[in-house]
Amino acid sequence: EADIYQTPRYLVIGTGKKITLECSQTMGHDKMYWYQQDPGMELHLIHYSYGVNSTEKGDLSSESTVSRIRTEHFPLTLESARPSHTSQYLCASSERTGPSGYTFGSGTRLTVV
Amino acid sequence: KNQVEQSPQSLIILEGKNCTLQCNYTVSPFSNLRWYKQDTGRGPVSLTIMTFSENTKSNGRYTATLDADTKQSSLHITASQLSDSASYICVVSDRGSTLGRLYFGRGTQLTVWP
Repeated sequence: EADIYQTPRYLVIGTGKKITLECSQTMGHDKMYWYQQDPGMELHLIHYSYGVNSTEKGDLSSESTVSRIRTEHFPLTLESARPSHTSQYLCASSERTGPSGYTFGSGTRLTVV
Repeated sequence: KNQVEQSPQSLIILEGKNCTLQCNYTVSPFSNLRWYKQDTGRGPVSLTIMTFSENTKSNGRYTATLDADTKQSSLHITASQLSDSASYICVVSDRGSTLGRLYFGRGTQLTVWP
Protein backbone atom coordinates (compact mmCIF):
# COMPACT_ATOMS: atom_id res chain seq x y z
CA GLU A 1 0.00 0.00 0.00
CA ALA A 2 3.00 2.31 0.38
CA ASP A 3 3.16 5.25 -1.98
CA ILE A 4 6.49 6.33 -0.63
CA TYR A 5 9.40 3.98 -0.93
CA GLN A 6 12.67 3.84 0.92
CA THR A 7 15.65 1.68 0.09
CA PRO A 8 17.45 -0.10 1.51
CA ARG A 9 15.37 -1.23 4.49
CA TYR A 10 18.47 -2.24 6.42
CA LEU A 11 22.10 -1.26 5.87
CA VAL A 12 25.23 -2.23 7.79
CA ILE A 13 28.28 -0.36 6.63
CA GLY A 14 31.82 0.33 7.74
CA THR A 15 33.10 3.63 9.10
CA GLY A 16 34.22 6.08 6.44
CA LYS A 17 32.03 4.73 3.64
CA LYS A 18 29.83 6.97 1.54
CA ILE A 19 26.17 5.98 1.51
CA THR A 20 22.97 7.21 -0.13
CA LEU A 21 19.55 6.45 1.27
CA GLU A 22 16.87 6.50 -1.40
CA CYS A 23 13.36 7.91 -1.06
CA SER A 24 10.75 8.09 -3.82
CA GLN A 25 7.06 8.98 -3.76
CA THR A 26 4.40 8.53 -6.42
CA MET A 27 1.82 10.97 -5.05
CA GLY A 28 3.14 14.13 -6.67
CA HIS A 29 3.69 15.75 -3.27
CA ASP A 30 5.70 18.94 -3.28
CA LYS A 31 6.93 18.69 0.32
CA MET A 32 9.35 15.98 1.36
CA TYR A 33 11.19 15.39 4.62
CA TRP A 34 13.88 13.33 6.27
CA TYR A 35 13.57 12.41 9.93
CA GLN A 36 15.98 10.64 12.24
CA GLN A 37 14.62 8.44 15.02
CA ASP A 38 16.48 6.62 17.77
CA PRO A 39 14.75 3.79 19.72
CA GLY A 40 12.13 5.09 22.14
CA MET A 41 12.72 8.67 21.08
CA GLU A 42 10.77 11.19 19.07
CA LEU A 43 11.38 11.88 15.39
CA HIS A 44 13.76 14.73 14.63
CA LEU A 45 13.60 16.67 11.36
CA ILE A 46 16.99 16.77 9.64
CA HIS A 47 16.11 17.97 6.11
CA TYR A 48 13.10 19.14 4.16
CA SER A 49 12.20 20.33 0.68
CA TYR A 50 9.34 22.43 -0.70
CA GLY A 51 9.94 21.33 -4.26
CA VAL A 52 12.49 20.79 -6.98
CA ASN A 53 15.82 22.50 -6.26
CA SER A 54 14.59 23.50 -2.79
CA THR A 55 16.29 21.96 0.26
CA GLU A 56 16.62 23.18 3.84
CA LYS A 57 18.19 21.89 7.02
CA GLY A 58 15.89 20.84 9.80
CA ASP A 59 16.07 21.18 13.56
CA LEU A 60 18.57 18.45 14.28
CA SER A 61 22.07 19.10 13.05
CA SER A 62 23.08 16.43 10.62
CA GLU A 63 26.21 15.77 8.61
CA SER A 64 24.09 14.38 5.81
CA THR A 65 23.11 16.22 2.63
CA VAL A 66 20.06 15.96 0.39
CA SER A 67 19.09 16.84 -3.17
CA ARG A 68 15.78 17.37 -4.96
CA ILE A 69 16.30 17.20 -8.69
CA ARG A 70 12.95 15.54 -9.38
CA THR A 71 9.66 15.98 -7.54
CA GLU A 72 9.38 12.30 -6.72
CA HIS A 73 12.94 11.69 -5.53
CA PHE A 74 14.66 12.94 -2.35
CA PRO A 75 17.87 11.03 -1.60
CA LEU A 76 19.97 11.53 1.53
CA THR A 77 23.75 11.14 1.41
CA LEU A 78 26.38 10.62 4.07
CA GLU A 79 29.85 11.31 2.64
CA SER A 80 31.70 9.50 5.44
CA ALA A 81 29.63 7.31 7.73
CA ARG A 82 30.45 7.16 11.45
CA PRO A 83 29.05 5.00 14.29
CA SER A 84 27.22 8.10 15.61
CA HIS A 85 25.13 8.00 12.41
CA THR A 86 23.59 4.68 13.47
CA SER A 87 19.85 5.32 13.60
CA GLN A 88 16.56 4.88 11.77
CA TYR A 89 15.98 7.33 8.93
CA LEU A 90 12.40 8.02 7.88
CA CYS A 91 11.36 9.81 4.71
CA ALA A 92 7.95 11.50 4.45
CA SER A 93 5.96 13.61 2.02
CA SER A 94 2.90 15.82 2.22
CA GLU A 95 0.64 17.97 0.08
CA ARG A 96 1.49 21.63 -0.19
CA THR A 97 -1.68 23.04 1.40
CA GLY A 98 -4.21 22.03 4.02
CA PRO A 99 -3.87 20.06 7.24
CA SER A 100 -3.23 16.88 5.32
CA GLY A 101 -1.39 14.05 6.92
CA TYR A 102 2.10 13.09 6.19
CA THR A 103 2.82 9.82 4.47
CA PHE A 104 5.88 8.09 5.85
CA GLY A 105 8.10 5.54 4.21
CA SER A 106 9.01 2.32 6.00
CA GLY A 107 12.38 3.67 7.00
CA THR A 108 16.01 2.68 6.62
CA ARG A 109 17.72 1.16 9.63
CA LEU A 110 21.38 2.21 9.34
CA THR A 111 24.14 0.62 11.39
CA VAL A 112 27.68 1.93 11.05
CA VAL A 113 30.35 -0.38 12.46
CA LYS B 1 8.67 25.99 24.53
CA ASN B 2 6.58 23.90 22.16
CA GLN B 3 6.37 20.35 23.48
CA VAL B 4 4.30 17.20 23.17
CA GLU B 5 4.14 14.87 26.16
CA GLN B 6 2.61 11.41 26.03
CA SER B 7 1.56 9.06 28.79
CA PRO B 8 1.95 6.36 29.73
CA GLN B 9 5.37 5.62 28.26
CA SER B 10 4.40 1.97 27.94
CA LEU B 11 1.27 -0.08 28.50
CA ILE B 12 0.45 -3.77 28.56
CA ILE B 13 -3.14 -4.95 28.19
CA LEU B 14 -4.90 -8.22 27.49
CA GLU B 15 -6.47 -8.91 24.14
CA GLY B 16 -10.06 -7.70 23.97
CA LYS B 17 -9.61 -4.97 26.58
CA ASN B 18 -9.93 -1.24 25.96
CA CYS B 19 -7.26 1.35 26.66
CA THR B 20 -6.73 5.10 26.48
CA LEU B 21 -3.52 6.89 25.64
CA GLN B 22 -2.92 10.52 26.60
CA CYS B 23 -1.25 13.43 24.86
CA ASN B 24 -0.65 16.90 26.33
CA TYR B 25 0.85 19.67 24.25
CA THR B 26 2.00 23.24 24.57
CA VAL B 27 2.31 23.98 20.85
CA SER B 28 1.05 27.39 19.86
CA PRO B 29 -0.43 28.58 17.59
CA PHE B 30 -2.15 25.25 17.12
CA SER B 31 -3.02 23.93 13.66
CA ASN B 32 -3.85 20.26 13.96
CA LEU B 33 -3.14 17.13 15.96
CA ARG B 34 -2.45 13.72 14.51
CA TRP B 35 -2.16 10.24 15.97
CA TYR B 36 0.11 7.75 14.26
CA LYS B 37 0.68 4.03 14.76
CA GLN B 38 4.24 2.83 14.29
CA ASP B 39 5.02 -0.86 14.13
CA THR B 40 8.53 -1.87 15.16
CA GLY B 41 11.00 -1.10 12.40
CA ARG B 42 8.39 0.56 10.19
CA GLY B 43 7.33 4.09 9.39
CA PRO B 44 4.40 5.75 11.20
CA VAL B 45 0.94 5.28 9.70
CA SER B 46 -1.71 7.95 10.19
CA LEU B 47 -4.75 7.04 12.31
CA THR B 48 -6.53 10.38 12.73
CA ILE B 49 -6.01 14.08 12.16
CA MET B 50 -8.02 16.74 13.98
CA THR B 51 -8.17 20.49 13.56
CA PHE B 52 -9.06 23.09 16.16
CA SER B 53 -12.80 22.80 15.61
CA GLU B 54 -12.99 19.01 15.91
CA ASN B 55 -13.24 17.33 19.30
CA THR B 56 -13.63 13.70 18.30
CA LYS B 57 -12.78 11.53 15.33
CA SER B 58 -13.01 7.79 14.85
CA ASN B 59 -11.19 5.35 12.62
CA GLY B 60 -12.56 1.87 13.19
CA ARG B 61 -11.68 0.81 16.73
CA TYR B 62 -9.62 3.97 17.26
CA THR B 63 -11.29 7.11 18.62
CA ALA B 64 -9.35 10.29 19.17
CA THR B 65 -10.54 13.25 21.22
CA LEU B 66 -9.23 16.77 21.35
CA ASP B 67 -9.74 19.49 23.95
CA ALA B 68 -8.09 22.56 22.46
CA ASP B 69 -8.80 24.61 25.58
CA THR B 70 -6.83 22.33 27.90
CA LYS B 71 -4.47 21.26 25.09
CA GLN B 72 -5.11 17.60 25.65
CA SER B 73 -5.87 14.71 23.37
CA SER B 74 -6.59 11.05 23.94
CA LEU B 75 -6.62 7.97 21.77
CA HIS B 76 -9.05 5.26 22.82
CA ILE B 77 -8.64 1.75 21.48
CA THR B 78 -11.64 -0.54 21.74
CA ALA B 79 -11.55 -4.33 21.90
CA SER B 80 -7.79 -4.50 21.46
CA GLN B 81 -6.19 -7.03 19.13
CA LEU B 82 -2.72 -8.51 19.06
CA SER B 83 -2.01 -6.45 15.95
CA ASP B 84 -2.55 -3.27 17.96
CA SER B 85 0.86 -3.85 19.59
CA ALA B 86 2.88 -0.86 18.40
CA SER B 87 4.06 2.60 19.35
CA TYR B 88 1.38 5.30 19.18
CA ILE B 89 2.72 8.75 18.45
CA CYS B 90 0.97 12.07 19.01
CA VAL B 91 2.05 14.81 16.60
CA VAL B 92 1.02 18.45 16.79
CA SER B 93 1.40 20.94 13.97
CA ASP B 94 1.69 24.69 14.39
CA ARG B 95 0.56 27.34 11.94
CA GLY B 96 3.23 29.84 12.79
CA SER B 97 5.33 29.08 9.74
CA THR B 98 4.86 28.05 6.16
CA LEU B 99 6.42 24.71 6.99
CA GLY B 100 3.59 23.81 9.35
CA ARG B 101 6.14 22.59 11.82
CA LEU B 102 5.46 19.20 13.40
CA TYR B 103 6.18 18.44 17.05
CA PHE B 104 6.43 14.76 17.92
CA GLY B 105 5.80 12.99 21.18
CA ARG B 106 8.00 10.07 22.16
CA GLY B 107 5.11 7.69 21.80
CA THR B 108 3.33 5.16 24.00
CA GLN B 109 4.51 1.61 23.50
CA LEU B 110 1.43 -0.61 23.62
CA THR B 111 1.72 -4.36 24.03
CA VAL B 112 -1.36 -6.55 23.70
CA TRP B 113 -1.07 -10.02 25.25
CA PRO B 114 -3.24 -12.98 24.34
